[in-house]
Amino acid sequence: QVQLVESGGGVVQPGRSLRLSCVASGFSFRSFALHWVRQAPGKGLEWVGVISYDGGNQKYADAVKGRFTLSRDNSKDTVFLQMNSLRVEDTAVYYCARAGEDCSSWCLDYWGQGTLVSVS
Amino acid sequence: DIQMTQSPSSLSASVGDKVTITCRASETIGRFLNWYQQKPGKAPQLLIFGASTLQRGVPSRFSGSGSETDFTLSISSLEPEDFATYYCQQSYSDLRTFGQGTKVEIK
Repeated sequence: QVQLVESGGGVVQPGRSLRLSCVASGFSFRSFALHWVRQAPGKGLEWVGVISYDGGNQKYADAVKGRFTLSRDNSKDTVFLQMNSLRVEDTAVYYCARAGEDCSSWCLDYWGQGTLVSVS
Repeated sequence: DIQMTQSPSSLSASVGDKVTITCRASETIGRFLNWYQQKPGKAPQLLIFGASTLQRGVPSRFSGSGSETDFTLSISSLEPEDFATYYCQQSYSDLRTFGQGTKVEIK
């Protein structure tokens, strides 16, 4: 079955960096775009960014553009979110999610369990 | 960026009630609208994509409608497991955005 497992979260000081990973299994990883979505404590969902199936194209929310970078290693079924110049307002649970199959990539059909990033 | 506004922000309802949640886009998005359900401490789950297509395995009491700027999610008869927070999301723009969420609580 499809699984996405995030890791790399933790406590970090403002201005420092952190790299999150999302390991996929149960599907042809190299055929799907992957998104990151975050959720601050007690708040709603916020889309962070997306990386295309081959890693050649990325898009980012304005709130993280220039600070966060997406990459992927299709040989290891893994996508990475490099977060630099972290701010207190980046504190959130970070989810990776697959661009949906039945919806022709227009939706997010599988999500990981999330990893918590705390900037303080 | 396209702004998504949901209403209400929260509602109280009883098992068996019909519930309707609305989502409005700040500009026309065709039918590029998805709905997700999130329960406390869990990842969101896809309910509906393309404004009205039920994701596989989602009960038929859920339905979606609308186009361009105005959309609705309906639950025909609330079940205990439906008490959760619901989010709309537009996928018209490369920069995907979510609504602020609607929390459905037990009356």
